[in-house]
Amino acid sequence: QVQLQESGSGLVKPSQTLSLTCAVSGASISDGAYSWGWIRQPPGKGLEWIGYISHSGRTKYIRSLQSRVTISIDRSKNQFSLKLTSVTAADTAVYYCARVGSSAYSTWFDPWGQGTLVTVSS
Amino acid sequence: QSVLTQPPSVSEAPRQRVTISCSGSSSNIENNAVNWYQHLPGKAPKLLIYYDSLLPSGVSDRFSASKSGTSASLAISGLQSVDEADYYCAAWDDSLNGVVFGGGTKLTVL
Repeated sequence: QVQLQESGSGLVKPSQTLSLTCAVSGASISDGAYSWGWIRQPPGKGLEWIGYISHSGRTKYIRSLQSRVTISIDRSKNQFSLKLTSVTAADTAVYYCARVGSSAYSTWFDPWGQGTLVTVSS
Repeated sequence: QSVLTQPPSVSEAPRQRVTISCSGSSSNIENNAVNWYQHLPGKAPKLLIYYDSLLPSGVSDRFSASKSGTSASLAISGLQSVDEADYYCAAWDDSLNGVVFGGGTKLTVL
């Protein structure tokens, strides 16, 4: 059974960098069949895709965050990470990590981690 | 404002059937597969439907989905209180070159 677990700082000051890690168990992050991604949900709002990284390290990000976001992979620890720089209150959200499946015309997230709340506040 | 449009809420009585709509465009729903997610309060979102209408292993066959043109819909039959959740549609968007979600629909079982 594949499981994902987010960890990282729950409180980040404005203009600083948000850093989160997603530990994967029950599957190898080097499995070429999947990528690994991040999705967030601001309080009271819907889900927003952030980006994903393939097993080979190729990344794809949402355009609105592209200048501030980095997703990286650590095969030795079977985990992947999210960094978001220059955060503002608008980045306050529950952040989810997920395994990403994709084909020529579909990209889906399964399973998801439990999510971690990150609050941006001084 | 989400790229995919869903009704904010729907409600129906137990044992009845409800549908949730998801409206998009040719850059997303019409030319790419729609996936549906169930988000129970305090839980991790769960993949409910993929490739427009396929059920992942373990998902109840009370759930079904379809797509026509730029719209998709999720149907839940035999409603139970455990189905109370937020439901999201999602698809790849060729213009935005990324995944887009609907705003979510809150299902209340009366």
